[in-house]
Amino acid sequence: QVQLVQSGPEVKRTGASVTLACQTTGYTFTFYYIHWVRQAPGQGLEWMGMINPSSNTRSYAQNFQGRLSLTSDTSTRTGHMELTSLRSEDTAVYYCARQLYDGTGWYYGMDVWGQGTTVTVSS
Amino acid sequence: QSALTQPPSASGSPGQSVTISCTGTTDDVGGFDYVSWFQHHPGKPPQLLIFEVNKRPSGVPDRFSGSKSGNTASLTVSGLRAEDEAHYFCCSFGGRSNWVFGGGTKLTVL
Repeated sequence: QVQLVQSGPEVKRTGASVTLACQTTGYTFTFYYIHWVRQAPGQGLEWMGMINPSSNTRSYAQNFQGRLSLTSDTSTRTGHMELTSLRSEDTAVYYCARQLYDGTGWYYGMDVWGQGTTVTVSS
Repeated sequence: QSALTQPPSASGSPGQSVTISCTGTTDDVGGFDYVSWFQHHPGKPPQLLIFEVNKRPSGVPDRFSGSKSGNTASLTVSGLRAEDEAHYFCCSFGGRSNWVFGGGTKLTVL
């Protein structure tokens, strides 16, 4: 059974950093990119970035350049997202999702998602 | 990359059909056949309804269909049911290894 299980809720002060985990089971970890997407209260979904666990190739949305770092660990089949210099606007639910890429094209969409992790940032 | 444009709300009565639009540019929706649609209920992760413009994952009812014309993609929900009341988001590949979501549409079943 394919599952993405995310780490628990976090409460952080402004200016701090947060690291979230996304542990995967049930599929070949290195065949799928891991995306990170967030939803702030009352807002829509926002794509943050993605990582290829096979090559560690990363891509970040322009809004997060310099503050976001994505990593992956093939031994634990886990993706990690670190967001630094937190501000109140970073309060959101953060999701990871997988997507198949075979080197030539994207397939099947972001088909399985984690349950989400709530991050609360306050002063 | 700017968010894709969706109407903030849509509505229909049970049994009716409703279509939700998602407008982008030639850099995203119009340039690639990598448009997805998600259903999102509060407190739950988004659920994939449509991928690659018009394909349905197994388990998604054929009441949900997708299409694209130029820079605008559309999701049609036919035979509306009460459980279809949710937020719907489109998503497109934007080139240069970027993806972009729409602002979301709240679907109300009257």
